[in-house]
Amino acid sequence: KAGVTQTPRYLIKTRGQQVTLSCSPISGHRSVSWYQQTPGQGLQFLFEYFSETQRNKGNFPGRFSGRQFSNSRSEMNVSTLELGDSALYLCASSFERVTEQFFGPGTRLTVL
Amino acid sequence: AQSVTQPDIHITVSEGASLELRCNYSYGATPYLFWYVQSPGQGLQLLLKYFSGDTLVQGIKGFEAEFKRSQSSFNLRKPSVHWSDAAEYFCAVGAGVTGGGNKLTFGTGTQLKVEL
Repeated sequence: KAGVTQTPRYLIKTRGQQVTLSCSPISGHRSVSWYQQTPGQGLQFLFEYFSETQRNKGNFPGRFSGRQFSNSRSEMNVSTLELGDSALYLCASSFERVTEQFFGPGTRLTVL
Repeated sequence: AQSVTQPDIHITVSEGASLELRCNYSYGATPYLFWYVQSPGQGLQLLLKYFSGDTLVQGIKGFEAEFKRSQSSFNLRKPSVHWSDAAEYFCAVGAGVTGGGNKLTFGTGTQLKVEL
């Protein structure tokens, strides 16, 4: 069974631009969560989607948004990029809520 | 709110030596606990999990962890470390459906170096 896939793996953007990251969960998994990883703040929860509905949201500004499609694939969007948004963005999927989560390789976003 | 403390930022062990990585959590109810490992430039790989039941859980790659409610701890152990175990290790706590669903709170990580 294929693991969690994330595209693209690397992105370079400039301040003020917006970006969309994609995540395909493990087949059959219905929950997708997103995390941001930075050297300064560590791993922080962004949001969780289950059955196309956002179920939980972390403490991030409204510039960070996401959605989930009927096939459980998820996208997250960051608008008006800031230098501080440079990070590794990790997607995780699980079969149900409150079950073990499996992480993808991440998307490395660099904002110049 | 839940929190996780990993008191050791860096640990160095010799290959073949035993390993224990510490993790303390704060959560009012019974937590869901996880250990993940991350190699440079990679995502997180799940080593093991504790949901309920036996407090000593076995994971992949020869790792085990013990849940001690009285000490709010979930320490990771391995009897004999291999050079390939060098990586960063993260402890995480989840709160369950009523407490936040799949939201995981991570510790700051422990960087493991293995000396040959």
